[in-house]
Amino acid sequence: TQLLEQSPQFLSIQEGENLTVYCNSSSVFSSLQWYRQEPGEGPVLLVTVVTGGEVKKLKRLTFQFGDARKDSSLHITAAQPGDTGLYLCAGRKNYGQNFVFGPGTRLSVLP
Amino acid sequence: GAVVSQHPSWVICKSGTSVKIECRSLDFQATTMFWYRQFPKQSLMLMATSNEGSKATYEQGVEKDKFLINHASLTLSTLTVTSAHPEDSSFYICSARLAGRGNEQFFGPGTRLTVL
Repeated sequence: TQLLEQSPQFLSIQEGENLTVYCNSSSVFSSLQWYRQEPGEGPVLLVTVVTGGEVKKLKRLTFQFGDARKDSSLHITAAQPGDTGLYLCAGRKNYGQNFVFGPGTRLSVLP
Repeated sequence: GAVVSQHPSWVICKSGTSVKIECRSLDFQATTMFWYRQFPKQSLMLMATSNEGSKATYEQGVEKDKFLINHASLTLSTLTVTSAHPEDSSFYICSARLAGRGNEQFFGPGTRLTVL
């Protein structure tokens, strides 16, 4: 069983639409990260959240860490084709442990 | 800053041969490096954690004699796939963690291995 679940698994939308993807677990995490990975490349870190209820914004991307630190969401406003990629969340239960990756949400933004 | 490189970016080899993949942190010292494997349209699966100057820690189900990891310096870790078979074909990605900055790990661009 996956420690982290991500939904939806796939998402295909038109340019300009808004979307939200989710990362859920039954475990509590000390920190959670979101990455974007493009085909044939390594993942690129987008954000790290550590406080329950924390909201971080990165241009059109808004990240939220659940109050109980078991889940997180990523909201993209006015999606663009450049947002296309695999979005991965990764969680760590305790400082010093390795991050565990979720299965990812594959996003396709059509022009 | 915090750039990680991998070499080669892709490799094709015959079944039974061994392949070495290098992971370098270009502008920082990495006490810990990680090796991941990613199959098409799947997530990253951690294979092993490599600490400079000590033996790597392998995840359950990963054969340490098949996937040899050496972390001889603070800027270089190598993964050698020994006696490669077609089922070893995958995208191998390394990452490096900044000493003293435990939350951050930086990923290399990956190496695509195809075993014929």
